[in-house]
Amino acid sequence: QSVLTQPPSASGTPGQRVTISCSGGSSNIGRSNSVNWYQHLPGTAPKLLIYSNNQRPSGVPDRFSGSKSGTSASLAISGLQSEDEADYYCAAWDDSLNGYVFGTGTKVTVL
Amino acid sequence: QVQLVESGGGVVQPGRSLRLSCAASGFMFSNYAMHWVRQAPGKGLEWVALVSYAGTNEYYADSVKGRFTISRDNSKNTLYLQMNSLRAEDTAVYFCARDLGYGSGTYSWFDPWGQGTLVTVSS
Repeated sequence: QSVLTQPPSASGTPGQRVTISCSGGSSNIGRSNSVNWYQHLPGTAPKLLIYSNNQRPSGVPDRFSGSKSGTSASLAISGLQSEDEADYYCAAWDDSLNGYVFGTGTKVTVL
Repeated sequence: QVQLVESGGGVVQPGRSLRLSCAASGFMFSNYAMHWVRQAPGKGLEWVALVSYAGTNEYYADSVKGRFTISRDNSKNTLYLQMNSLRAEDTAVYFCARDLGYGSGTYSWFDPWGQGTLVTVSS
């Protein structure tokens, strides 16, 4: 069972804004540890979306944004598009486990 | 271009061993820490192990500690995962990934990832 909790699903119509939460604790997100977000389409290689809480790698559209506050983080997708349908995972290092942890994952559906 | 290609997956009986490989190309492999991550059927992503750029430091998920060993051969640009005492719950697609952060865990993020190799543990 993951120490980072996400809602199992989120949805929106094209053009809408969708936000995904990631709830952690004092040993992971609550530290200065980097929170990262990955997009995963089943059967393909996961893709880095956000790193170091709110940084976008080159090539990732600015529709994707990340934030962190206390022991929680969130990913926002604005101007939702059909190609955004995928699974999304938050992740961070956990100092108590001395290991990297992924969130439970959120499936985004474009209605 | 930067590329990671996993190999070595297959069907193996419980209690047996298997070694996965991850061939890296398009970047200076010896400069980066590397990770293994897995995804069991119908489940989410699970981090498995991290090895530092020089291979001197290793970290493992509790679920594989004492059974799996991560290693690397920088002369061959290849990452390995030796899996012993395999269990049914180790059945998963195994991905290798480059650590594009500081390779310390605390400031680690993965990019790119390989396409994965399927390991099925079954009698």
